[in-house]
Amino acid sequence: NAGVTQTPKFRILKIGQSMTLQCAQDMNHNYMYWYRQDPGMGLKLIYYSVGAGITDKGEVPNGYNVSRSTTEDFPLRLELAAPSQTSVYFCASSYSIDRLTEAFFGQGTRLTVV
Amino acid sequence: GDSVTQMEGPVTLSEEAFLTINCTYTATGYPSLFWYVQYPGEGLQLLLKATKADDKGSNKGFEATYRKETTSFHLEKGSVQVSDSAVYFCALNSGNTPLVFGKGTRLSVIA
Repeated sequence: NAGVTQTPKFRILKIGQSMTLQCAQDMNHNYMYWYRQDPGMGLKLIYYSVGAGITDKGEVPNGYNVSRSTTEDFPLRLELAAPSQTSVYFCASSYSIDRLTEAFFGQGTRLTVV
Repeated sequence: GDSVTQMEGPVTLSEEAFLTINCTYTATGYPSLFWYVQYPGEGLQLLLKATKADDKGSNKGFEATYRKETTSFHLEKGSVQVSDSAVYFCALNSGNTPLVFGKGTRLSVIA
């Protein structure tokens, strides 16, 4: 079972460049999430989606955009990369958003902006 | 808002030592509590969870008990192995919002 798949695994960007981090899940989950992980700071929520066509901001949305045109895919776009966006990005999905439900994570994308 | 506080790391232990990683939380209502583990180079995976007060979650020799009176969910293991070296995250879910994570605790176990 593939679960949550993220591409690419690693990327180096120059300041001002743009890119899209891809995320796909094959579990038919309605809910999908993007987190960033900075050293010593845990995971911070960037955006999430409760279903196709519906997205909402998390704790740190500035500098990012998302879309959810299908249940399976939830890409994260960086329009003008900045050094502050150097981080490890995790995509996750869950069947529900109720308190009993666990989330499933991808393997992460390590992004460096230079 | 909801928050999770974990003990600062890193934690370095010898093989077969006893492990405790402290986790306390602040939340409205009655959250579920989770421990996730991140092995080197991998994503997070669920280690164990508890959904109500006094529940004990357990998996792979790890245990944690949901203590409502002390708002805690400490992770314990009686005898750690080198293969337990990883980053451990405590998290909560109050319902209708995404998971809220602590900062993570890095554990290194030496032979």
